[in-house]
Amino acid sequence: NAGVTQTPKFQVLKTGQSMTLQCAQDMNHEYMSWYRQDPGMGLRLIHYSVGAGITDQGEVPNGYNVSRSTTEDFPLRLLSAAPSQTSVYFCASSYFGTTNEKLFFGSGTQLSVL
Amino acid sequence: AQKITQTQPGMFVQEKEAVTLDCTYDTSDPSYGLFWYKQPSSGEMIFLIYQGSYDQQNATEGRYSLNFQKARKSANLVISASQLGDSAMYFCAMRVGGSGGSNYKLTFGKGTLLTVNP
Repeated sequence: NAGVTQTPKFQVLKTGQSMTLQCAQDMNHEYMSWYRQDPGMGLRLIHYSVGAGITDQGEVPNGYNVSRSTTEDFPLRLLSAAPSQTSVYFCASSYFGTTNEKLFFGSGTQLSVL
Repeated sequence: AQKITQTQPGMFVQEKEAVTLDCTYDTSDPSYGLFWYKQPSSGEMIFLIYQGSYDQQNATEGRYSLNFQKARKSANLVISASQLGDSAMYFCAMRVGGSGGSNYKLTFGKGTLLTVNP
């Protein structure tokens, strides 16, 4: 009954460091995505994927890379962390269907960049 | 471009009263879906209710109902008989278009923080 699993839950980085946020889902969802949540800004889409080997940019992709080698996993990479990337990150997935397919969210990763 | 607007940064309601959280949307696509999510202080995102653009009736899920006014492009969430546990951030979101990868993105509003007073 895992759903969408994100690791780590908390992370502190120094400016310039790199890291990967992990996301895995066990529901065989085709669609996976990463959002960032900042105070007063709601959730903004970073990158998304419609299947293994296929990724595309969302609203705020700069400074982030993604890949989708399997249906289950969709890691988010910060290549050179900046203080502006301090945020809460959510991974979310869903089936393909019609517009009524809801997103299932992970529990989030709180990232601080010093 | 799609846009979701939630004009109420914060709302207060007395326990057991009803409350309406506003959401307006903008899209030129005739096919779209509207969602409401709840985010309690623990941080998880909880799906509440869905309304499709072609749905003839307003959606209801227990104490949650969606007041869908298509001509006004509004999709307000109504919570009846508020409980202390309803205190949370509420997000309205929209997906446009039919099936197809690029149309699967969910656009969120900035949220409304609801506080239920005892």
